[in-house]
Amino acid sequence: DAKTTQPDSMESTEGETVHLPCSHATISGNEYIYWYRQVPLQGPEYVTHGLQQNTTNSMAFLAIASDRKSSTLILPHVSLRDAAVYHCILRVGLGTGGNNKLTFGQGTVLSVIP
Amino acid sequence: EAAVTQSPRSKVAVTGGKVTLSCHQTNNHDYMYWYRQDTGHGLRLIHYSYVADSTEKGDIPDGYKASRPSQENFSLILELASLSQTAVYFCASSDWGEDTQYFGPGTRLLVL
Repeated sequence: DAKTTQPDSMESTEGETVHLPCSHATISGNEYIYWYRQVPLQGPEYVTHGLQQNTTNSMAFLAIASDRKSSTLILPHVSLRDAAVYHCILRVGLGTGGNNKLTFGQGTVLSVIP
Repeated sequence: EAAVTQSPRSKVAVTGGKVTLSCHQTNNHDYMYWYRQDTGHGLRLIHYSYVADSTEKGDIPDGYKASRPSQENFSLILELASLSQTAVYFCASSDWGEDTQYFGPGTRLLVL
């Protein structure tokens, strides 16, 4: 899986919309962009993923650049519960070999101020 | 909703002792994984399985064994626990054809 680059930390205030950037300049055509988050003392939690098109679900909006070399996870109206480490990961889809493992880097520590 | 449970949630073990960590999933998923996470670091894959009665080595299998007696259960075994195996261990499951992994709450293992 290719490498991603994220800021070490970001800070936001409750109710704001947060934009978490991720750079993946060497992404391959068959690699999906996944986002997971992890709260201290808990297991990682899936947030969203996409390949080329922007995606949205109940947790977040994922904006993917047209050249796919970067993406942004957008969290609307953040609450204290959104404070976590957010990991941007590139994954080759199932059926293309490999063991389907997740490789987490340091991620972005999102702090939310009341 | 997906459910992965782990037991025990925490354990203190002695060096050289045997430790068994258990994972149970009710998602009817084919894939199960064991990761370890050290303080301030990301996840590292130890073992995984895509079918009952079969396990595969991950990136750091040395010192660990795995057992998948049924689709729902996946165990991680430390035959001779060592200080370096102090970590938080996470189990996860995923469905064939789906890349999303669902994680358990973790087991905090302290080897003294």
